[in-house]
Amino acid sequence: SQQGEEDPQALSIQEGENATMNCSYKTSINNLQWYRQNSGRGLVHLILIRSNEREKHSGRLRVTLDTSKKSSSLLITASRAADTASYFCATAGSGANNLFFGTGTRLTVIP
Amino acid sequence: GAGVSQTPSNKVTEKGKYVELRCDPISGHTALYWYRQSLGQGPEFLIYFQGTGAADDSGLPNDRFFAVRPEGSVSTLKIQRTERGDSAVYLCASSLEARGGELFFGPGTRLTVL
Repeated sequence: SQQGEEDPQALSIQEGENATMNCSYKTSINNLQWYRQNSGRGLVHLILIRSNEREKHSGRLRVTLDTSKKSSSLLITASRAADTASYFCATAGSGANNLFFGTGTRLTVIP
Repeated sequence: GAGVSQTPSNKVTEKGKYVELRCDPISGHTALYWYRQSLGQGPEFLIYFQGTGAADDSGLPNDRFFAVRPEGSVSTLKIQRTERGDSAVYLCASSLEARGGELFFGPGTRLTVL
């Protein structure tokens, strides 16, 4: 079963704008990760946030985590055409060995 | 090699045939995962190995699917009596950590069952 659900399913923005996508999950987690997938490079890890963290930054990426609402958001600032891809959240449950992926958000950045 | 590799990159087979998909993880990564992904969907967990043993095989859809990792490195996913519904991209990933660490994915094997 897939635990995470991303919202929106698809997002189209102009280059230079910010993109925000959300992830909701169902059970308690140890950490939450975001991955990017495009046809050229496959699935690539972007960032990991642990359950005791509320916010994390990496370059143009900002991730927040609200464990009380069981939700996370990924913000990409100053988007570029190369950011066009599908973005997935993945959750590692407490005590679980595996990662469950959501259904993904398809981001299109228009040059 | 520098990353996770998977062979073959594409496999076309007929319904009812047996297939084997291979994964070479990053050297030193003890955790290995198999996922499959259908068009427009997220990766679906199949099985997780820690070393040589399958620590969690709860994602295998039925007993036609089996995976091994005899020496704690290379893994093979085996599918018997393939069905058209098995068509998907099969992804392998490895990780330095157990229990939900960062995953490094291979390029996948696209399986088509005719």
